[in-house]
Amino acid sequence: EVQLLQSGAEVKEAGESLKISCKASGYSFPPYWIGWVRQMPGKGLEWMAFIYPADSDTKYSPSFQGQVTISVDKSISTAYLQWTSLKASDTAIYFCARGITGTWDHWGQGTLVTVSS
Amino acid sequence: QSALTQPASVSGSLGQSITISCTGTSSDVGGYDFVSWYQQHPGKAPKLVIYDVSHRPSGVSDRFSGSRSGNTASLTISGLQAEDEADYYCSSYTRSTIYVFGTGTKVTVL
Repeated sequence: EVQLLQSGAEVKEAGESLKISCKASGYSFPPYWIGWVRQMPGKGLEWMAFIYPADSDTKYSPSFQGQVTISVDKSISTAYLQWTSLKASDTAIYFCARGITGTWDHWGQGTLVTVSS
Repeated sequence: QSALTQPASVSGSLGQSITISCTGTSSDVGGYDFVSWYQQHPGKAPKLVIYDVSHRPSGVSDRFSGSRSGNTASLTISGLQAEDEADYYCSSYTRSTIYVFGTGTKVTVL
């Protein structure tokens, strides 16, 4: 069974750093992409960034370029999303998803990040 | 990259059909077959219901169907059921080699 298991909820203060994870199981990590999606409270979905685990090729949506960093550890089939200095506006639920040829067919359960100012 | 345009809300009675539109440009919806639709219930992760414009994943009800005309994609739900009440988002690959979501549509079953 394909599963994407995300790390637990985080409560941080503005200015702190954070790294959340998404562990894949039930399939071969490559050749699928991993994408990250933000959902701010009461708002819609936003694609943030994408990574191809086979060669760590990364693509960032313009709004998130320079704001976050995505990475992957193929040896443990885990993808990461990290911030060096959180802002209150980073408060949101973050989802990871598995994708191939434009189809994002499996999703993690989401990680709630709360940043207090 | 601007979000694709969807109606904020659509409603229908039990058993009726509804259609949700998703309008983009020739650089996204109209230019690539990588248009997909996601259903999201409150507090849950999105679920894929249509991919590649009109294909339905295994396990998704055949009451869900997708189509496209020019730069506008559409999701039709026929035989509306109570469990279809949710938020729906379209998504498309773009010329910038990234993806973009629609603004989202809240479906209410009357």
